[in-house]
Amino acid sequence: SQQGEEDPQALSIQEGENATMNCSYKTSINNLQWYRQNSGRGLVHLILIRSNEREKHSGRLRVTLDTSKKSSSLLITASRAADTASYFCATVGETSGSRLTFGEGTQLTVNP
Amino acid sequence: NAGVMQNPRHLVRRRGQEARLRCSPMKGHSHVYWYRQLPEEGLKFMVYLQKENIIDESGMPKERFSAEFPKEGPSILRIQQVVRGDSAAYFCASSPVRGGDGYTFGSGTRLTVV
Repeated sequence: SQQGEEDPQALSIQEGENATMNCSYKTSINNLQWYRQNSGRGLVHLILIRSNEREKHSGRLRVTLDTSKKSSSLLITASRAADTASYFCATVGETSGSRLTFGEGTQLTVNP
Repeated sequence: NAGVMQNPRHLVRRRGQEARLRCSPMKGHSHVYWYRQLPEEGLKFMVYLQKENIIDESGMPKERFSAEFPKEGPSILRIQQVVRGDSAAYFCASSPVRGGDGYTFGSGTRLTVV
């Protein structure tokens, strides 16, 4: 099965709440990245965390990485309606060169 | 400094025709990657190119698909004799160095085969 699987597949919350998305992968990685995709648009890079890092923050985003469990989580605090989008994790494997392996994504809906 | 430019944004082709998708990387980026996204799915790696070289084409279908990144001009993803299953969004990304950091994605080309 596929590397980089997110859960949940879909998440619906109210504005102001926090949203947590999880990602699991199968092989050893150099880094893990999170991207956002608005409907019908391209991908926007959100944050990158390296295999030797455990946690990283960027504005309202907090990413954790647990290499022993091969999992990562993305937390968006104080969500806004504009955060409505699909969120993808992507890994760069130790042996995969520089290509990204994407998960299937989490569709986040933030209701005003 | 323009981002990664892909054109056309939308492309409609009849079965059996050829599709040519173009990607101009960010200025100063010499590494280009192509990904395909089927409806309701994540992106799948297709090919990685540097100027005049194909570095990794492990994600490319064996037939009908080809890619190039010439010394001058954009990278081209070419699909010959398109079929309905080729309908997807095709994204290009570029980076300044090899290694997986610093990707910038284009807005994609949405190919519809009728």
